[in-house]
Amino acid sequence: GAVVSQHPSWVICKSGTSVKIECRSLDFQATTMFWYRQFPKQSLMLMATSNEGSKATYEQGVEKDKFLINHASLTLSTLTVTSAHPEDSSFYICSAATLAGGWETQYFGPGTRLLVL
Amino acid sequence: DQQVKQNSPSLSVQEGRISILNCDYTNSMFDYFLWYKKYPAEGPTFLISISSIKDKNEDGRFTVFLNKSAKHLSLHIVPSQPGDSAVYFCAASASSNYKLTFGKGTLLTVNP
Repeated sequence: GAVVSQHPSWVICKSGTSVKIECRSLDFQATTMFWYRQFPKQSLMLMATSNEGSKATYEQGVEKDKFLINHASLTLSTLTVTSAHPEDSSFYICSAATLAGGWETQYFGPGTRLLVL
Repeated sequence: DQQVKQNSPSLSVQEGRISILNCDYTNSMFDYFLWYKKYPAEGPTFLISISSIKDKNEDGRFTVFLNKSAKHLSLHIVPSQPGDSAVYFCAASASSNYKLTFGKGTLLTVNP
């Protein structure tokens, strides 16, 4: 199957700093990328949907000014957690999709674990 | 408000036996359902799906059953193999968009 990478795989930062997470589709062009967050013992929760070259669509309750998403190319999307706080500590996972192929073409990255001290 | 529920956090079965993972949903708009498998340190990978126009879909050792009236689906793995040990996520979507709503997952352990 297709490969989606995330970088970094884990990050520890101080409260108030910003953290950027990259999501890359390595062997295909992704028309759409999704960003999810998973708290311990909870389900993956969709944060936002981004299409290349356009603004991301955020889910209800997700602050767009705090979680900046850039989808500059068909193979790269970035999520920046601005002014991170301990409550932002979570597992962030992206997926990349060519939606013309259906839901099954949504491929997930390995995730990034963020710890804010 | 959990729209997709996997009420069993874990399941343990013997190699060669059947594994049955259950999933319930509450949103009647959901009409497409998927199962994902996740190993540690990896992202979820697509396993099998079913559309609401069907009540069964089979792919090798994996079969998904859908009971729309009960808003319930299940994944059957037979025979179970130790390599099947992973976390299994149930996900649902409405055909009007590609957003996936996930359950919390069930950790399956297949013992040799």
